[in-house]
Amino acid sequence: EPEVTQTPSHQVTQMGQEVILRCVPISNHLYFYWYRQILGQKVEFLVSFYNNEISEKSEIFDDQFSVERPDGSNFTLKIRSTKLEDSAMYFCASGTFSGRGNTIYFGEGSWLTVV
Amino acid sequence: GNSVTQMEGPVTLSEEAFLTINCTYTATGYPSLFWYVQYPGEGLQLLLKATKADDKGSNKGFEATYRKETTSFHLEKGSVQVSDSAVYFCALSPQAAGNKLTFGGGTRVLVKP
Repeated sequence: EPEVTQTPSHQVTQMGQEVILRCVPISNHLYFYWYRQILGQKVEFLVSFYNNEISEKSEIFDDQFSVERPDGSNFTLKIRSTKLEDSAMYFCASGTFSGRGNTIYFGEGSWLTVV
Repeated sequence: GNSVTQMEGPVTLSEEAFLTINCTYTATGYPSLFWYVQYPGEGLQLLLKATKADDKGSNKGFEATYRKETTSFHLEKGSVQVSDSAVYFCALSPQAAGNKLTFGGGTRVLVKP
């Protein structure tokens, strides 16, 4: 069964460093997303991406965040200068749309620890 | 804006007990409704979905019915197993293409042998 894959599964980084989280969405999907989950809290939307541009972003997704799809298969989330409060599980997702609405599948997540 | 409210956990049950997790939503129009499950140390897995009023989603013995009149999508399972211990998230997505999911806060379920 096709799945969304994410790397790395866990990354520890120092405050102020840049981090890139990578995702390979399901191959025939057109819609891509990043969410995050701070430990023990709810799953929060960061950004959605379609047709090589951001379609929606949340207040969390400020200037230190960026996304790109560099080669038609990978979908990356870059955090330019990490802060302690960026420590969270980051989930990539991809989705399709049909007569049955949107269906969105998630990867296993990348656990980011900022120290 | 759109929002999803779930019953707070943890919910602790014995094996073979009946499980209900309440979920209500606020949205304009007719969103699609979802349940996702997160097993310990794993990602979010789509458990089931429903796209219109009175639609019933089902998977792995779990069921949820889209109730427009009560804006609810309660998750039920008739006989839980220890392996059902997980966090369950209710979510909605507007019907337009590519719209994001809005999640509830999640409900932790612990099934004891």
